[in-house]
Amino acid sequence: GESVGLHLPTLSVQEGDNSIINCAYSNSASDYFIWYKQESGKGPQFIIDIRSNMDKRQGQRVTVLLNKTVKHLSLQIAATQPGDSAVYFCAENFSYNQGGKLIFGQGTELSVKP
Amino acid sequence: DGGITQSPKYLFRKEGQNVTLSCEQNLNHDAMYWYRQDPGQGLRLIYYSQIVNDFQKGDIAEGYSVSREKKESFPLTVTSAQKNPTAFYLCASGFEETQYFGPGTRLLVL
Repeated sequence: GESVGLHLPTLSVQEGDNSIINCAYSNSASDYFIWYKQESGKGPQFIIDIRSNMDKRQGQRVTVLLNKTVKHLSLQIAATQPGDSAVYFCAENFSYNQGGKLIFGQGTELSVKP
Repeated sequence: DGGITQSPKYLFRKEGQNVTLSCEQNLNHDAMYWYRQDPGQGLRLIYYSQIVNDFQKGDIAEGYSVSREKKESFPLTVTSAQKNPTAFYLCASGFEETQYFGPGTRLLVL
């Protein structure tokens, strides 16, 4: 999950296992969410997005689940590979914000053991 | 090769000096953004622009300035008024709510 501060939450998984990364978002009015992957020293990479009228969306090896009741978002990565090691963070968008500004979480560091 | 480019990759600033970070995109996006990232923290919005010749302050605009004279370009100047400029700076461009990021510029103070 997400937390405030200098130490990111860390998730360590074995290669080939499934990973689940969680995010608690802040505003019940948020209607659009994105998951990003950021490798060390690089810019964030778009992974998958979901709108609030959906509960689940699948991509290649990734699934995002949205639970609006408890304001919770999760990213599932199937058959995790060493190349998946990175920081993952979610972003939420308030529909009434001008310019489509996103609010970002601090992130979770995923470490994949070979 | 489409996308967002940032230059330089590393930038060194002397005390009292203004430095400019470049951001270019060829995705034909109207909106562009500048974020600052500090270790272990989320992205913080510095400035954003939804259209050419218009831009707005984000959450931490003090000590920074921008211009948006062309759709493709959104340079960020870190002025001498920014007393703690050491960070990783990320530029993004966006279509509707979705934002795509460049590779970043790491700014260090000598």
